Amino acid sequence: QVQLVQSGAEVKKPGASVKVSCKASGYTFTGYYMHWVRQAPGQGLEWMGRINPNSGGTNYAQKFQGRVTMTRDTSISTAYMELSRLRSDDTAVYYCASLATVTIYWGQGTLVTVSS
Amino acid sequence: DIQMTQSPSSLSASVGDRVTITCRASQGISNYLAWFQQKPGKAPKSLIYAASSLQSGVPSKFSGSGSGTDFTLTISSLQPEDFATYYCQQYNSYAWTFGQGTKVEIK
Repeated sequence: QVQLVQSGAEVKKPGASVKVSCKASGYTFTGYYMHWVRQAPGQGLEWMGRINPNSGGTNYAQKFQGRVTMTRDTSISTAYMELSRLRSDDTAVYYCASLATVTIYWGQGTLVTVSS
Repeated sequence: DIQMTQSPSSLSASVGDRVTITCRASQGISNYLAWFQQKPGKAPKSLIYAASSLQSGVPSKFSGSGSGTDFTLTISSLQPEDFATYYCQQYNSYAWTFGQGTKVEIK
């Protein structure tokens, strides 16, 4: 079955960077875009961008342009999302998600806390 | 970006009630619409894809309908485990957008 397993919770100071990983299994990793979505405490869902695991090509939401970098390692079927120059309002749960065939599969989420 | 407007933002219902949630897109999205359920502290759980197709393993009390700009999610007989927040999501555009959520609470 399709599984997306994310790395564990992180605590970072303002101005630092964080890199979250998402390991895919149960489907052809290079066949489907990987998206990243975040959810601030008590808030809705916000799309951050996507990566084509086959080519490495990316599309980022304008809000995150210049601060987010999405990469992948096809040898281990893993996608990464790095967010730099962290601020307190980046405190959120970060999810990877993939529209594999017709269904959207979600990772379990990674809590990133930004605090001095 | 395609805006998704979901209503109501919250509702109170009793066990056994039929519940309907609506979602409207700011432009036509064909049937590229998903519904999912989220409980506190948990990841989203997919319920419906392609507007009306039931995700494998999801009980048939959940159903979706609509095409173009107007969509609905119906829960035919609300059970205690269904109290949660429900979101619609469009994936017609590569920039996914989401409704603001509907919190279903116990009356």
